[in-house]
Amino acid sequence: QVQLQESGPGLVRPSETLSLTCTVSGDSMTTYYWSWIRQPPGKALEWIGYVYYTGTTNYNPSLKSRVTISVDTSKTQFSLKVTSVTAADTAVYYCARDLGAYCNGYDCHSLSAFDVWGRGTVVTVSS
Amino acid sequence: SSELTQDPAVSVALGQTVRITCQGDSLREYSASWYQQKPGQAPILVIYYKNNRPSGIPDRFSGSRSGNTASLTITGAQAEDEADYYCNSRDSTNHVLFGGGTKLTVL
Repeated sequence: QVQLQESGPGLVRPSETLSLTCTVSGDSMTTYYWSWIRQPPGKALEWIGYVYYTGTTNYNPSLKSRVTISVDTSKTQFSLKVTSVTAADTAVYYCARDLGAYCNGYDCHSLSAFDVWGRGTVVTVSS
Repeated sequence: SSELTQDPAVSVALGQTVRITCQGDSLREYSASWYQQKPGQAPILVIYYKNNRPSGIPDRFSGSRSGNTASLTITGAQAEDEADYYCNSRDSTNHVLFGGGTKLTVL
């Protein structure tokens, strides 16, 4: 059974860097896409970005200038850094596995479907 | 545009059928996925690629698409189905999109 677990500081000072790690168990990480998603209090889910096991990344254009996602397959972990945080970055941060495609034999269709999620970690930006 | 639009709130009488919709240009090319989220919990995938249900999801949940609109249908809604529902898809640049969510109330 695949499990994801977020870890990192729950409180970050404004203008500093938010750093989180997602530890994956039950999956070698050499398939699928690995994403960070956040949810501000009372608001909708927001995709932050993903990393593939090769290190290839893709980010939400609205956050791209401040976000870095990296992967360490030897530790089955992937990480998130968000620089220059403000109160608007206060949210529950989730890591999740994205299937990336649906295949029926050799017939494959690209998609986004997050089938495994971490429990989420609350990050508050405050002085 | 790279957006997915959902109605903010929908209600359904216990045991009746409800449809939750999601609109966006990306849905003409890419299939939608649907998630259920209850307060204080992580989302759960309930439908992906047209009308596929992960193991453990009841068959009262189904998905469909017409043009730029994807729909999640709950046939015979139960009290435990009261939750927020989100759609998502990818777009042509491989970015991931989420809808704004629909709060489902079961009366």
